[in-house]
Amino acid sequence: GAVVSQHPSRVICKSGTSVKIECRSLDFQATTMFWYRQFPKQSLMLMATSNEGSKATYEQGVEKDKFLINHASLTLSTLTVTSAHPEDSSFYICSARDGGQVEQETQYFGPGTRLLVL
Amino acid sequence: GDSVTQMEGPVTLSEEAFLTINCTYTATGYPSLFWYVQYPGEGLQLLLKATKADDKGSNKGFEATYRKETTSFHLEKGSVQVSDSAVYFCATWGNNRLAFGKGNQVVVIP
Repeated sequence: GAVVSQHPSRVICKSGTSVKIECRSLDFQATTMFWYRQFPKQSLMLMATSNEGSKATYEQGVEKDKFLINHASLTLSTLTVTSAHPEDSSFYICSARDGGQVEQETQYFGPGTRLLVL
Repeated sequence: GDSVTQMEGPVTLSEEAFLTINCTYTATGYPSLFWYVQYPGEGLQLLLKATKADDKGSNKGFEATYRKETTSFHLEKGSVQVSDSAVYFCATWGNNRLAFGKGNQVVVIP
């Protein structure tokens, strides 16, 4: 089946530094990738949608200069949390849509990245 | 926008017990409905889905029926196993994105 990986699985950083999270589709071409954030005991909240080769579309309330998303290839999207602060600590999850499938609803999820900002 | 609501709190039950997790949806039309499962340390996996009213999705012994009259999509399994311990998310598709419920932690005790 379709596999999506994320790297790193967890990261601890100091306040003020930037952190990059990678999301890769391993065996399919992901024309669209989604980035979610999940707080403890909360739902997954969509942060942004990125289409390969174009700018990401951010959800209301998500700072695009804070959360930089790059989707430069059909198998890789990156999320960079710039100047991270403790309130950015969260679980970040990506998902990818297979461009070869007609159904838009089908998404494959990565295992998530746990970010802790000290 | 379209949304789903899951019952509050974790669910703890014994092996071979009957499992029900409630999910209700709010939508302007009749969106597709999903149940996703997240096993410890893994990503979300699609468990089952239904695309229209009265559809029943089923997989791995789990079932959920899309009920228009009660706007519900409750997840059921007749006899759970320890390996079913996971977090279960109800979701709906609308406005080109998935909207998730809060999730329910299910713990099955041997």
